[in-house]
Amino acid sequence: DAGVIQSPRHEVTEMGQEVTLRCKPISGHDYLFWYRQTMMRGLELLIYFNNNVPIDDSGMPEDRFSAKMPNASFSTLKIQPSEPRDSAVYFCASRAQGDQPQHFGDGTRLSIL
Amino acid sequence: QKEVEQNSGPLSVPEGAIASLNCTYSDRGSQSFFWYRQYSGKSPELIMFIYSNGDKEDGRFTAQLNKASQYVSLLIRDSQPSDSATYLCAVNPGTYKYIFGTGTRLKVLA
Repeated sequence: DAGVIQSPRHEVTEMGQEVTLRCKPISGHDYLFWYRQTMMRGLELLIYFNNNVPIDDSGMPEDRFSAKMPNASFSTLKIQPSEPRDSAVYFCASRAQGDQPQHFGDGTRLSIL
Repeated sequence: QKEVEQNSGPLSVPEGAIASLNCTYSDRGSQSFFWYRQYSGKSPELIMFIYSNGDKEDGRFTAQLNKASQYVSLLIRDSQPSDSATYLCAVNPGTYKYIFGTGTRLKVLA
């Protein structure tokens, strides 16, 4: 079975540019999570969806961040405009209904210059 | 504030020894508990999960849960250098989002 698929794997861009990260969850999983990981702050939950509906976006740091899930097999996390402090590894994870473990994608390593 | 606490380490053990990783959590209503392994530059990978008090074994790994004392442990028997990684504890406090600890870095010395 395919796991959670994220793209791109690496992104380097200049500050002020728009960045779009993409995620395809595991088929049949009802929950999708976006995380950010840095050395200083560890793994932070940004937002999560249940059945394509955003449930909790309290972790989104600023209005520059937005996330969508137009269907059960695709989600995007967008940063506009990007800033150097947004540099981090961004993970997408999904899980099934009930008390099930989350499965992570390989992540996108984002560098804002 | 629901919290999950882990010692950041590094925890250094010699090859072949038992590595013991601990995690405490603050929400007494927590229902399920997960251990993830994360190699440097890689994503977290699920190793084990446990729902009930007691021990759960899977190969060289044993998860131990004590809900009364609010801690969960991961034991790695016959530790190998390839076990060197950061181990993340995650707790389901009864909501839809799990709480992750900051991880314990394990170093297995050859």
